[in-house]
Amino acid sequence: KNEVEQSPQNLTAQEGEFITINCSYSVGISALHWLQQHPGGGIVSLFMLSSGKKKHGRLIATINIQEKHSSLHITASHPRDSAVYICAVMYGNQFYFGTGTSLTVIP
Amino acid sequence: KAGVTQTPRYLIKTRGQQVTLSCSPISGHRSVSWYQQTPGQGLQFLFEYFSETQRNKGNFPGRFSGRQFSNSRSEMNVSTLELGDSALYLCASSSSSHVTGELFFGEGSRLTVL
Repeated sequence: KNEVEQSPQNLTAQEGEFITINCSYSVGISALHWLQQHPGGGIVSLFMLSSGKKKHGRLIATINIQEKHSSLHITASHPRDSAVYICAVMYGNQFYFGTGTSLTVIP
Repeated sequence: KAGVTQTPRYLIKTRGQQVTLSCSPISGHRSVSWYQQTPGQGLQFLFEYFSETQRNKGNFPGRFSGRQFSNSRSEMNVSTLELGDSALYLCASSSSSHVTGELFFGEGSRLTVL
């Protein structure tokens, strides 16, 4: 049983499109992280959320604690946004990861 | 400000050997956490150290161990290597807790077990 489910698994978009990646989890959490991983392995932390909404540039992350759901939105997508996006939840003192969403943005 | 540094970046070992990986966190960060990433299992949490003490541990066998030094640098060790230990090992540092603090990841150490 996977505590964290992401959708879609793969996503291809045209440059400029609005993108949404979803994350659902089954446990009560203390925090949720959105991570970005480019080819080659390096991971960048995009957001850490415990409630509400955060925005950084073209990226927006929201979380609904009652519905156990979070979304990552990318506005005006660009080819450099092509990466794997991973949702991670903190349950107790453990980290549980989604399987990732592979995003390809075509010029 | 220097980022998180992991060494070595790549290494090849044979079954039964042991390996030690190193992680130097961002200056001033006291939390270092370790993760394993494989194509089949994805990212999995190994353990977290804070001020030289292991605070949290994931569901890995005792062959996986770690430690943290007084300068916050951390090492992880895998003994009696198995083929399934081939993976990208990532560490992350945080100024506070890996639970609620922002994480800064290293580039990873890619281990191949033959």
